[in-house]
Amino acid sequence: EVQLVESGGGLVQPGRSLRLSCAASGFTFDDYAMHWVRQTPGKGLEWVSGISWNGDNIGYADSVKGRFTISRDNAKNSLYLQMNSLRAEDTALFYCAKDNVISMMRGAFDVWGQGTMVTVSS
Amino acid sequence: AIRMTQSPSSFSASTGDRVTITCRASQGISSYLAWYQQKPGKAPKLLIFAASTLQSGVPSRFSGSGSGTDFTLTISCLQSEDFATYYCQQYYIYPRTFGQGTKVEIK
Repeated sequence: EVQLVESGGGLVQPGRSLRLSCAASGFTFDDYAMHWVRQTPGKGLEWVSGISWNGDNIGYADSVKGRFTISRDNAKNSLYLQMNSLRAEDTALFYCAKDNVISMMRGAFDVWGQGTMVTVSS
Repeated sequence: AIRMTQSPSSFSASTGDRVTITCRASQGISSYLAWYQQKPGKAPKLLIFAASTLQSGVPSRFSGSGSGTDFTLTISCLQSEDFATYYCQQYYIYPRTFGQGTKVEIK
C-alpha cells in the first residue's frame, strides 16, 4: 500500500524551531519529487515547499523562504521540513504529498499523508 | 507567483445537478492544472491532472477542460458523496499555487 506518514508536529513558541518528517512506503521513493502543503484550520491549501527526486531542484513559498528548509534522505525513504523562526501564522496542518510523475518536476499530487499539526503559540 | 482564482467560492446544489467550477490562472500554465476534492477532516484527493486526465479510480461523472489560463471542473450528475470543497492547483512553475477553494453544499 502506498503510504505517507507525517510526524514531528506539536506546540512550539514563536521564534523556535521544529522539524517535520514524512515516512514513505509502498513506492520507489527516489523516483518522485515530494512536497509539503499546509492548511490553516478552516482555510484553504497552501503549497509550502517541494524537492526533486534527487534534491537538486527545490522551491519554497515566499511566506517561508529563508526560514524553512526541505530535504530528503532517499536511503531512508524520508522527507523532512526544518522550520525555523516560527510565527503564529505558521500554525497549520502540514501534509506531505507525492508527485504523480516519475523524475519530473511537474506533477500533480496523487498521494497525501494524514497531516501533522503545528501550533505556534506562547 | 501565479495566482489561481476559483469561482464561485461556494454554492448550493441538489443531487443529480450538473455543476461547473471555474479556475483562472493569472498567467498561462499550459495544461499543468490539477483538481482536488477535500472532505472535512480528510486529506485532499486528486481528481484530475493535466487539466483533463481523470485520476485512476475517480468516477467518470467528473471531467476537466481548459488550457492556458481558463479551466473548468464539471460534475455531470452530483452525488451525495460529492458534497465537498474543490481546489484547483497549477504545477507549471514554483511556487506551486492553489485556488482558494469552492465549497459545494447541499441545497
